[in-house]
Amino acid sequence: GENVEQHPSTLSVQEGDSAVIKCTYSDSASNYFPWYKQELGKGPQLIIDIRSNVGEKKDQRIAVTLNKTAKHFSLHITETQPEDSAVYFCAANNYGQNFVFGPGTRLSVLP
Amino acid sequence: GAVVSQHPSRVICKSGTSVKIECRSLDFQATTMFWYRQFPKQSLMLMATSNEGSKATYEQGVEKDKFLINHASLTLSTLTVTSAHPEDSSFYICSAPRANTNEQFFGPGTRLTVL
Repeated sequence: GENVEQHPSTLSVQEGDSAVIKCTYSDSASNYFPWYKQELGKGPQLIIDIRSNVGEKKDQRIAVTLNKTAKHFSLHITETQPEDSAVYFCAANNYGQNFVFGPGTRLSVLP
Repeated sequence: GAVVSQHPSRVICKSGTSVKIECRSLDFQATTMFWYRQFPKQSLMLMATSNEGSKATYEQGVEKDKFLINHASLTLSTLTVTSAHPEDSSFYICSAPRANTNEQFFGPGTRLTVL
C-alpha cells in the first residue's frame, strides 16, 4: 500500500521568510496530492492540490511542486505570516482509493 | 469549496455510555464518507469507510462492534462510539469526497472526552 513520509516534523521561520515542506510517496499509481492546513482544534482545510499530470501549481503565496520520477512533492509558502502557523499535512491517493496522510509538519512563523 | 459539518463539536461523557457523532455534506451528495481519528500531535488515521446503503468497511484493528457506522442517506453518516472508555478520547473527523473527483472535504471535527 501507499506510504507517505513528510519532513521536517517542525519548522520555525521568521515572518516574511519562505517555508518549504517535503513529502515522498511510495505508490507510483498515486495521482493526486493535496496539502491540508490544520489549526488547533479544527478539521483539516485543503489549501492546494496537484495532480500527476502537472509539475507545479501556484496560488498566491502558496505553491506545490511534483516530481513523479522521484516520487516527491513539496509545499512552498512565501512571505510567511503569523497566521500561517499551523500543522500542515500532505496526502497521496489514486482515484477511488483512500487518502494516506503524512505525519504532519508543525510550522511556526515568528513575528 | 464544499461544506461538511459535524455535530457535536465537542462532547464529554461518562465511561460506559455511548456517543453518536453526525457528519453531513451540506451542498453535495456523498455515497462514501470517511471517519478518521486523530490523537494529539499525530496525523489522521483512517478508521472506516462509510458507504450509503451498505455496510461500512473498517480498517485493520478498528472494532466494528465498538464503532458503529450508519450511512442512511446521501448526506448523512453517523459514528456511534459504544461503551466508551477513556482510551477512546480523541478528535474524530469525517470527510466526504465529491463525486467523480479525488477531492475530499473535511468536517470541523468532534472532540470526545470520556471520563
